[in-house]
Amino acid sequence: AQSVTQLGSHVSVSEGALVLLRCNYSSSVPPYLFWYVQYPNQGLQLLLKYTTGATLVKGINGFEAEFKKSETSFHLTKPSAHMSDAAEYFCAVSKSGGSYIPTFGRGTSLIVHP
Amino acid sequence: DAGVIQSPRHEVTEMGQEVTLRCKPISGHDYLFWYRQTMMRGLELLIYFNNNVPIDDSGMPEDRFSAKMPNASFSTLKIQPSEPRDSAVYFCASSLVGQRNTEAFFGQGTRLTVV
Repeated sequence: AQSVTQLGSHVSVSEGALVLLRCNYSSSVPPYLFWYVQYPNQGLQLLLKYTTGATLVKGINGFEAEFKKSETSFHLTKPSAHMSDAAEYFCAVSKSGGSYIPTFGRGTSLIVHP
Repeated sequence: DAGVIQSPRHEVTEMGQEVTLRCKPISGHDYLFWYRQTMMRGLELLIYFNNNVPIDDSGMPEDRFSAKMPNASFSTLKIQPSEPRDSAVYFCASSLVGQRNTEAFFGQGTRLTVV
């Protein structure tokens, strides 16, 4: 079975500071990994994804994530937080055991202080 | 494409009433998912379909919940009878599996309030 653990239900940063949202996964086969963002009263939208190839992937709004197989991690980073980044962020894994069904983490709420 | 379309966006109903949530997936997608989001439990997968066939409904909480997909462009999630604990945001998502772009695309959700 596949699973995702997001460390920290809330992360608080100052505007301009580094954003780091942590995600660890469990998968018996090479995974597909995703980060989604959810703004208030909206659905989830894809930020970035890793399928194969380059382990550092870049997404929208300046976010990036690095797939580290040895650490089973896929942490999300952004060098400088903006007020508009305040949202809920979800890490997801799929493709474990041939299943393409995404399993989501509990989410991390990013709070950005002026 | 307009994306995944869900209706209604908001639904308020009285306990005991039947509620039907609707979803139109992205054209050409072969998987459709129904998720429920609550503060307590996060994002839960209720059921998913592949080519209109229900594959796994183990996430459906009770027999009061049922889902159908009569054709490739329409799905419904029905709760009968509804209870206050069913209050949540329900999301429909679709994907095209088997290619590199396997991410799920989500609708805007239906916020259900059962009073």
